[in-house]
Amino acid sequence: GAVVSQHPSWVICKSGTSVKIECRSLDFQATTMFWYRQFPKQSLMLMATSNEGSKATYEQGVEKDKFLINHASLTLSTLTVTSAHPEDSSFYICSARDIGRGNNSPLHFGNGTRLTVT
Amino acid sequence: GENVEQHPSTLSVQEGDSAVIKCTYSDSASNYFPWYKQELGKRPQLIIDIRSNVGEKKDQRIAVTLNKTAKHFSLHITETQPEDSAVYFCAASRYDKIIFGKGTRLHILP
Repeated sequence: GAVVSQHPSWVICKSGTSVKIECRSLDFQATTMFWYRQFPKQSLMLMATSNEGSKATYEQGVEKDKFLINHASLTLSTLTVTSAHPEDSSFYICSARDIGRGNNSPLHFGNGTRLTVT
Repeated sequence: GENVEQHPSTLSVQEGDSAVIKCTYSDSASNYFPWYKQELGKRPQLIIDIRSNVGEKKDQRIAVTLNKTAKHFSLHITETQPEDSAVYFCAASRYDKIIFGKGTRLHILP
């Protein structure tokens, strides 16, 4: 089945530093990847849609200059949390669809990255 | 944009009984409705999905129904087992991004 690999699985960083999270589709290609954030005991909130070869589309209320997204190839998207603060501590999960299966196909999720900012 | 409401937020059922989780959506153009199960600290896993041209779908103990007119869909789990304890998310999509409900924490009581 389709596999999405996300790294790192957890990271602890100091306030003010930047953290990069990678999301790779291992056995399929994805023109679009989605980045979600999940706070404890809450739902998955869509942050942005990552588009291969073009700018990401951010959801309302998500700062594009703080959460930098790059989708340089059909199998890799990265999310960089810049100048991280304690309130950015959360579980970040990427997901992707297999372009070969069309738009209305299941999302495949990475294992998530637990970010803790001290 | 799409808005998905999910109820209840918490549900406790006796082992062996059935569990029902209900969701409504706002965008009448949404045409894909997946359900995900998430265990603590793990990623969401797709358990069943339904497209707008179908009213009901079943996979062993799990079934989903869709009422397009009323814009609501439901998850039914029969003969519940301890391993069914988890958080369940409904979602709705129209060709692109998927928007999730707030989730239902399901407890299966021994």
